[in-house]
Amino acid sequence: DARVTQTPRHKVTEMGQEVTMRCQPILGHNTVFWYRQTMMQGLELLAYFRNRAPLDDSGMPKDRFSAEMPDATLATLKIQPSEPRDSAVYFCASGSTGGFSNQPQHFGDGTRLSIL
Amino acid sequence: SQKIEQNSEALNIQEGKTATLTCNYTNYSPAYLQWYRQDPGRGPVFLLLIRENEKEKRKERLKVTFDTTLKQSLFHITASQPADSATYLCAHQNQAGTALIFGKGTTLSVSS
Repeated sequence: DARVTQTPRHKVTEMGQEVTMRCQPILGHNTVFWYRQTMMQGLELLAYFRNRAPLDDSGMPKDRFSAEMPDATLATLKIQPSEPRDSAVYFCASGSTGGFSNQPQHFGDGTRLSIL
Repeated sequence: SQKIEQNSEALNIQEGKTATLTCNYTNYSPAYLQWYRQDPGRGPVFLLLIRENEKEKRKERLKVTFDTTLKQSLFHITASQPADSATYLCAHQNQAGTALIFGKGTTLSVSS
């Protein structure tokens, strides 16, 4: 079974440090999504890409977060500088061509981030 | 604003019974609803998608209904097993077509 791969699975770092999370989408999928999951807010969309182009990052705090897709096999999410309120599980998902509603999204197992 | 609510945070049932989970949405009528399963420490896994003109959809022991009048989807697991214990999330596209909105999930516990 093809899977979305995320690294690292866990990250603990101090406030102010840069954090980089990586995602390898399923080969052939042309849409990539970044989500953040917390107990309070549930799953929230941060950004998404289609054919490597960023289409929407309105869910992301622009001053400290950035998302890129340097190539079709790698998506990155960076936080600089990190803050304790960024502690959450960050998920990457990929999907095939289509809108949000009529295509399933395939999720990785997330990066559990703790900012001290 | 659009909201999607799963009105039970937790549901406990006995093995063999049917579990019924509820998803309600407001302020917008989506054309599709999706259901996902999430196990602890793992990402959500897609289970089923139902279109607004499909009143009911089945996959093995799973059944999903979509009632556009009530603005509600029901997710049923028949002959439930302890292995069905997980958090179940419903989701639909927002009106602007820019995001998939997820409910916060219902955690199902099936005891033997």
